[in-house]
Amino acid sequence: DTGVSQDPRHKITKRGQNVTFRCDPISEHNRLYWYRQTLGQGPEFLTYFQNEAQLEKSRLLSDRFSAERPKGSFSTLEIQRTEQGDSAMYLCASSTGTGGTDTQYFGPGTRLTVL
Amino acid sequence: AQTVTQSQPEMSVQEAETVTLSCTYDTSESNYYLFWYKQPPSRQMILVIRQEAYKQQNATENRFSVNFQKAAKSFSLKISDSQLGDTAMYFCAFMKPQFGNEKLTFGTGTRLTIIP
Repeated sequence: DTGVSQDPRHKITKRGQNVTFRCDPISEHNRLYWYRQTLGQGPEFLTYFQNEAQLEKSRLLSDRFSAERPKGSFSTLEIQRTEQGDSAMYLCASSTGTGGTDTQYFGPGTRLTVL
Repeated sequence: AQTVTQSQPEMSVQEAETVTLSCTYDTSESNYYLFWYKQPPSRQMILVIRQEAYKQQNATENRFSVNFQKAAKSFSLKISDSQLGDTAMYFCAFMKPQFGNEKLTFGTGTRLTIIP
């Protein structure tokens, strides 16, 4: 069990560029979550995967955002035409999904800065 | 929709002392879970303690304990014998158990500094 990993840890981009983040959950964790954390705020839910199926998206997730989880393993979050308001920490979390209420394990996050 | 409120943006305490962080929440649900997560500087968020709403007994994990007052919708975290490694952002979170998406709703956090 190596924990949840995210790549890159930091990303600086210019407004209008596309960026993609990757999350590798704990192996055999069926549930995967993306959250966004802005300065001075707690994390806010963005989207949820059960295996490869994206089952819920927050209204925070505009049409410039897309997330995938092919084969139910790693996940990617892409932001197209980035805006300065997209600057935030993007957190990934995973849980077992085996029943009951699972603990979510968080990755270290990807800090995005849009210039 | 559920809301979580942490009214103490920052707190500091001397090492070895006890500190209590406050959290209140609003929900119409009767069955739910509450969590305290710790986010050390530049490190990932980790679970400190969790409480099931149907349990009357307050959860305890070593030096960490909660005071869960369901009727008052209050969920405070007590850290005893505080240590330098306790310095971190602490987030209170709410979760409604359901099949599938068990997303967390977080408060705005309390920045705790342990002073040597």
